[in-house]
Order: sequence, then structure tokens, then C-alpha cells
Amino acid sequence: QLVVTQSPSASASLGASVKLTCTLNSGHSRYAIAWHQQQPEKGPRYLIKVNSDGSYTKGDGIPDRFSGSSSGAERYLSISSLQSEDEADYYCQTTGTRIFGGGTKLTVL
Amino acid sequence: EVQLVESGGGLVQPGGSLRLSCAVSGFNFSTYEINWVRQAPGKGPEWISYISTSGSTIYYADSVKGRFTISRDDAKNSLYLQMNSLRAEDTAVYYCVRDRQYYDHIWGSYRSYFDYWGQGTLVTVSA
Repeated sequence: QLVVTQSPSASASLGASVKLTCTLNSGHSRYAIAWHQQQPEKGPRYLIKVNSDGSYTKGDGIPDRFSGSSSGAERYLSISSLQSEDEADYYCQTTGTRIFGGGTKLTVL
Repeated sequence: EVQLVESGGGLVQPGGSLRLSCAVSGFNFSTYEINWVRQAPGKGPEWISYISTSGSTIYYADSVKGRFTISRDDAKNSLYLQMNSLRAEDTAVYYCVRDRQYYDHIWGSYRSYFDYWGQGTLVTVSA
């Protein structure tokens, strides 16, 4: 059974960079995933799809500060030059299924 | 601009019914598969239903199967969710979410992910 795991929280300073991780369980390392951002009191927004080979596709209007990468069963969302509006919950969703990870709450210090 | 606008949420008693609507614009609705995803207070998103183009294929999460019905009207660019036998645990914000299909070379098949979300409508089930 496919299981997607995310760290509950992460933090980084304003202007710094951060890398969030979405881990697929054993036997499911071929799955691509999509990252969604949910700012406080708002609905989710699609950010980026990250493939198992590390290539990625961003959503419309998503800044260049956001990028994706992969290593084995891990899928990453990297955010550079952190801004206050990046403080949000980030969810990964496996493609081909409709399963979400538990989300990572990012705090910008 | 792609827009999905949900409506129809509100306060309903346990056992009651509610019908949600989602009006879409900015894209050719009839050529996209659409989902309903909900988010309970303080929780992550939970997919609950999917409908294919033309409505020929429909899926439900076990949590709503037999109680909720998804439908679409391509002439009206609208998606619906009929919710019956509502329970307290159905309390959530309900989102209309578009599916984006792509060809995955690793899998050798088409797969999909969510690429546009509505702003959501709140459903509260309480006596």
C-alpha cells in the first residue's frame, strides 16, 4: 500500500533557503508527486510536479524561487530567498492516485 | 484565467442533505476530469470523489460511498456534489479541484495530479 510521509514542521530564516521532503514508502519510488501550498486561511494552490528522475513542472505563475528534485524514494521542494508569504502548510500528493501526505508546516523566522 | 467557484455550503443537522455546486470558467470544462476534495478543521486534504469527462467513470472514497453523489453538467460548466445522510465527521471545507493529465515516461502510461483548486465552501454538520 502506498504511503507518503512528510515531516510535520520546518523552519528557516527570512531570505534563506529551505528544502522540504516527501518520502514514498518501499516499492513506490517511481511515483511522481505534486506539491501544494496552503497559506493561512486560504485554499491550497498547486506549486510543482516532481518526477522520479528529478525533472519538474511548475504551476502557472509560480516564482523561480520554487524548484523540485528527487533522490530515490524522496521528492523535494526547494524554496530560495524565503519571504514571509512562504509561511504555509505544504502537502505532497502522489500522481495517479489521490493520496496526500500529512503536510509540513513551514515557519519563516 | 482558470476559476473554480464552489457554493452551497452551510449548517445542516446530522442526517440531513446538502448540494454543493462548482462553477468553472477559463478552460474547456468538458475536456477535464474533476474532483471533490475536503479538508476538516485542522487536518490535511482528503480526496472524496472523482468524475471523468462525460461522467462515464466515477470514484468515491470509502468514507462517503453510498451517501454522496458526484455529477457534472458540461452545458452549464458546472460540477455538483449531492451529500445525503450527513454526519458530524463530514464537517469540512469542500474544494472543487481540476485534474491535469500527463504522459509519464517512467510508468509508460497517462497519470494525473491536481492543478487548480477552488476557494472552497464550508459545510458544518451539527445539531
